[in-house]
Amino acid sequence: DVKVTQSSRYLVKRTGEKVFLECVQDMDHENMFWYRQDPGLGLRLIYFSYDVKMKEKGDIPEGYSVSREKKERFSLILESASTNQTSMYLCATSPGGMDTIYFGEGSWLTVV
Amino acid sequence: AQSVSQHNHHVILSEAASLELGCNYSYGGTVNLFWYVQYPGQHLQLLLKYFSGDPLVKGIKGFEAEFIKSKFSFNLRKPSVQWSDTAEYFCAVISSASKIIFGSGTRLSIRP
Repeated sequence: DVKVTQSSRYLVKRTGEKVFLECVQDMDHENMFWYRQDPGLGLRLIYFSYDVKMKEKGDIPEGYSVSREKKERFSLILESASTNQTSMYLCATSPGGMDTIYFGEGSWLTVV
Repeated sequence: AQSVSQHNHHVILSEAASLELGCNYSYGGTVNLFWYVQYPGQHLQLLLKYFSGDPLVKGIKGFEAEFIKSKFSFNLRKPSVQWSDTAEYFCAVISSASKIIFGSGTRLSIRP
């Protein structure tokens, strides 16, 4: 079974703090993604990566950055958290052929 | 821009009723199509997918979907729903540049 592990399930951070969300996968997949999920808006793609040290902007990259130093790890960074970044963040991974997408359990981030 | 539309935001049905959830996408080229389900408190799971071949695709738990290219649609169906089908359902498309785009989701509530 593919395992996608998000390090933190629930976080509460203050406005202006730097926030790191970590995602690790154990299936040697090339592709990794970060989404945020908000009611009525579905899943919106923030950033994705096809390979180590490679990143591409998704639909809503503003206020976020990412890092992929190792194939199995894809980190999402909020340089200065704001209240409108309060959301559920989902990491996903897929193999090179992208025949399916595997999701982590999500990280609930509240910015106060 | 490529997009996925799920017009039903919240569907309420009684047990044993038939289900059809709409999904339309806006992209003229070759697409790969998915339906994902998110049960309360759980991570997203793949229900079914279509890449090519028979446009009627069968998935897990009695779900099926039909790809109609002329209508840019990939509607999800189930002949008889159960209370345990209560969940949120997401349609997704992989299009050009290998971006995975999700719809806004449909919340399904089943009355026992």
